[in-house]
Amino acid sequence: IAGITQAPTSQILAAGRRMTLRCTQDMRHNAMYWYRQDLGLGLRLIHYSNTAGTTGKGEVPDGYSVSRANTDDFPLTLASAVPSQTSVYFCASSDGPLTEAFFGQGTRLTVV
Amino acid sequence: KQEVTQIPAALSVPEGENLVLNCSFTDSAIYNLQWFRQDPGKGLTSLLLIQSSQREQTSGRLNASLDKSSGRSTLYIAASQPGDSATYLCAVRSISGGYNKLIFGAGTRLAVHP
Repeated sequence: IAGITQAPTSQILAAGRRMTLRCTQDMRHNAMYWYRQDLGLGLRLIHYSNTAGTTGKGEVPDGYSVSRANTDDFPLTLASAVPSQTSVYFCASSDGPLTEAFFGQGTRLTVV
Repeated sequence: KQEVTQIPAALSVPEGENLVLNCSFTDSAIYNLQWFRQDPGKGLTSLLLIQSSQREQTSGRLNASLDKSSGRSTLYIAASQPGDSATYLCAVRSISGGYNKLIFGAGTRLAVHP
């Protein structure tokens, strides 16, 4: 059982470049989420999707966009990367708000 | 605004000890609380989920309790082992904050030495 797969595992990106972080889940969960984890700030929600075709903004959505064309995939796009977007990004999914959330292994992104 | 606090921030214990990790939250109106484990450089692994109507959940050597009215949860680890060394995170789904968001504590970094 793969669970949640994120790609790439790590990336160094020049400021101003566009980047898409990929996330795929094989659990047929309705809800998917993107978090970033920063030292001293913990985990913060960027965007979420309660079901295919819908998305919503979390705590720190600026500079990021998402789409949910189908149940399994939830890509996160940085339109024009800035150094403050250097972070570890985690994708997560759950069947609904009352069920267990599962996380991917993360993407370590460095913007230089 | 819901805030989640974990105490202690770090803990070092000898192998075999029973230990308790604490998590407190400011708003008792929650859907559920989830405990995670994170190894260095890795993702989060779900340990236990407690619904707001439940008092405790058990999985192997782990037992998590929830006292919603006082805004507290504890994670009890029995007979600790070096392999338990990791950062433990608690997170709540808060009714006021919206069920879409897990609100995390800063974690407790646990080291179990042989």
